Amino acid sequence: QKEVEQDPGPLSVPEGAIVSLNCTYSNSAFQYFMWYRQYSRKGPELLMYTYSSGNKEDGRFTAQVDKSSKYISLFIRDSQPSDSATYLCAMSPGANAGKSTFGDGTTLTVKP
Amino acid sequence: EAEVAQSPRYKITEKSQAVAFWCDPISGHATLYWYRQILGQGPELLVQFQDESVVDDSQLPKDRFSAERLKGVDSTLKIQPAELGDSAMYLCASSLGLAGETQYFGPGTRLLVL
Repeated sequence: QKEVEQDPGPLSVPEGAIVSLNCTYSNSAFQYFMWYRQYSRKGPELLMYTYSSGNKEDGRFTAQVDKSSKYISLFIRDSQPSDSATYLCAMSPGANAGKSTFGDGTTLTVKP
Repeated sequence: EAEVAQSPRYKITEKSQAVAFWCDPISGHATLYWYRQILGQGPELLVQFQDESVVDDSQLPKDRFSAERLKGVDSTLKIQPAELGDSAMYLCASSLGLAGETQYFGPGTRLLVL
């Protein structure tokens, strides 16, 4: 069993929908939680970075971390066609990003 | 906006051949990472440098893979000999330092081994 499990998708939604992307993990040592967006044929781009439990909001994006349930989510409000990409969750026990464990990604398509 | 540069973007090679990938991190970034991303999976760290020193190469298949960052700036990842299972995207990333710094990824090199 992988340390980080991500909803596999693919996910297809109409423009304007609220999108929920989710990951579960088994390693209780994880303290730092990240969400990356990866467009086709590009490298990942950091979207959200959260330490420990709680919520963090940035524009249309909200990241939630529930350490008691070992569950993290990324919500996208008012989704746009430009949000169509693969979303990767990642988590690490410390601040060294090189120790991150990535999920396998969820591919999202937002239809106009 | 500064970006991580990688070349080549695509590489097709035959098994048993040698291949090399180059990465130029964002200027001033001391930490450089090489990742391998198999299609449909998340990136996996191969090697991490702090300046010219290797910080972590525990997941680097050292019988065939090598990496160097001689002057602490750009870096080269080599595979010799390439195997069919090496077909993947090879991503380079950089950050200012080791602790809590945002990683910036390059566009990657897509390798196909025939």
